[in-house]
Amino acid sequence: IVMTQTPLSLSVTPGQGASISCKSSQSLLHTDGKTYLYWFLQKPGQSPQLLISEVSKRFSGVPDRFSGSGSGTDFTLKISRVEAEDVGVYYCMQSMRVLPAFGGGTKVEIK
Amino acid sequence: QVQLVQSGAEVKKPGASVKVSCKASGYTFTDAYIHWVRQAPGHGLEWMGCINPHNGDTYYSETFQGRVTLTRDTSISTAYMELSSLRSDDTALYYCARARSFDPWGQGTLVTVSS
Repeated sequence: IVMTQTPLSLSVTPGQGASISCKSSQSLLHTDGKTYLYWFLQKPGQSPQLLISEVSKRFSGVPDRFSGSGSGTDFTLKISRVEAEDVGVYYCMQSMRVLPAFGGGTKVEIK
Repeated sequence: QVQLVQSGAEVKKPGASVKVSCKASGYTFTDAYIHWVRQAPGHGLEWMGCINPHNGDTYYSETFQGRVTLTRDTSISTAYMELSSLRSDDTALYYCARARSFDPWGQGTLVTVSS
């Protein structure tokens, strides 16, 4: 499964919203009824950290300005009001199959 | 809390092998897969393979098949990634991560391949 993220980069004014798209080459809907699409943020100099699991479930401690949506092959991560601490590279990932795959990443910076 | 702690940075010569460890704590080690991910300088995340600590079953990316070996020692809750026939383009950060949700991640281990 190939994961394609757009855009490659975003420059956002603090307080403005941002949206990242992730498309998969195959449906990520598993036979168990779950959709194994995840979003991660890798802040500068840090390991990636889980933001969203199974399309739309915010991980513990993740601010509610982050939201995930989508189904099948098309998914979106939205940040409603970007803050300075949100800078970094965002990755989507599928783990529907035993062999997971990451999107290429979207770099978010502050204007 | 759930934590993965990786071994320290390594410098290797081309053709050599490297073995990176990932020690788990805060949960039952055999309850969740351990994945390994590579990140070359300035590049994105590349999945290498995973191991089921419960029975030792492994799955590898085609990119690394034949060069990477994943093992584990359940007595010390530690997973290992060994990469052989190192080349200069294997210079990268190597991460371990837990379970299908890749949570949490280890701190990363920098492997530098240089003659």
